[in-house]
Amino acid sequence: NAGVMQNPRHLVRRRGQEARLRCSPMKGHSHVYWYRQLPEEGLKFMVYLQKENIIDESGMPKERFSAEFPKEGPSILRIQQVVRGDSAAYFCASLMGVNTEAFFGQGTRLTVV
Amino acid sequence: DQQVKQNSPSLSVQEGRISILNCDYTNSMFDYFLWYKKYPAEGPTFLISISSIKDKNEDGRFTVFLNKSAKHLSLHIVPSQPGDSAVYFCAASGDTSGTYKYIFGTGTRLKVLA
Repeated sequence: NAGVMQNPRHLVRRRGQEARLRCSPMKGHSHVYWYRQLPEEGLKFMVYLQKENIIDESGMPKERFSAEFPKEGPSILRIQQVVRGDSAAYFCASLMGVNTEAFFGQGTRLTVV
Repeated sequence: DQQVKQNSPSLSVQEGRISILNCDYTNSMFDYFLWYKKYPAEGPTFLISISSIKDKNEDGRFTVFLNKSAKHLSLHIVPSQPGDSAVYFCAASGDTSGTYKYIFGTGTRLKVLA
């Protein structure tokens, strides 16, 4: 899964600041998923994107959270006005198409202080 | 609404023996299933997958079994090795609500004792 690059690996933000998490999918992959993992919990689906399109954002909070996957460049998960409860590990996964293996990045650990 | 469930949070197995990890799902639209292994502070690593047209898939020490009527899948690791100690997640995918989301279980922590 080294092919999926996430940065930064660690991000510290004060309450009220913005957090931007980046995900570069594997070469040739046009599907990206974002997941959130809280301590001692499983992976919670947030959003599913294809190039320039949001396919399913049913797992993403309606406020403060947004995601994009532009034609050029990485996918971005943006959290505005962060709160302590946003502290978690955020993982992205890329895949070539539906019902194929999803490959994960190393994650971004967001800490809100 | 937990559509994919791993009811055993942890499992301990002696080195060399078989590890069996279980996963249940509720949505009959799921037609593709995967297992991932996760070490602390790392991303999940893909292990093995199975399509609903099969009931078994094998890759080296790892075998996944699918029982569609029971909506149950299991991962067998034999022989288990200390390096297999990790958290294992099962995931399911299918045309649910018009999109192909990959839904994960809550994980089972496997400890292989030397």
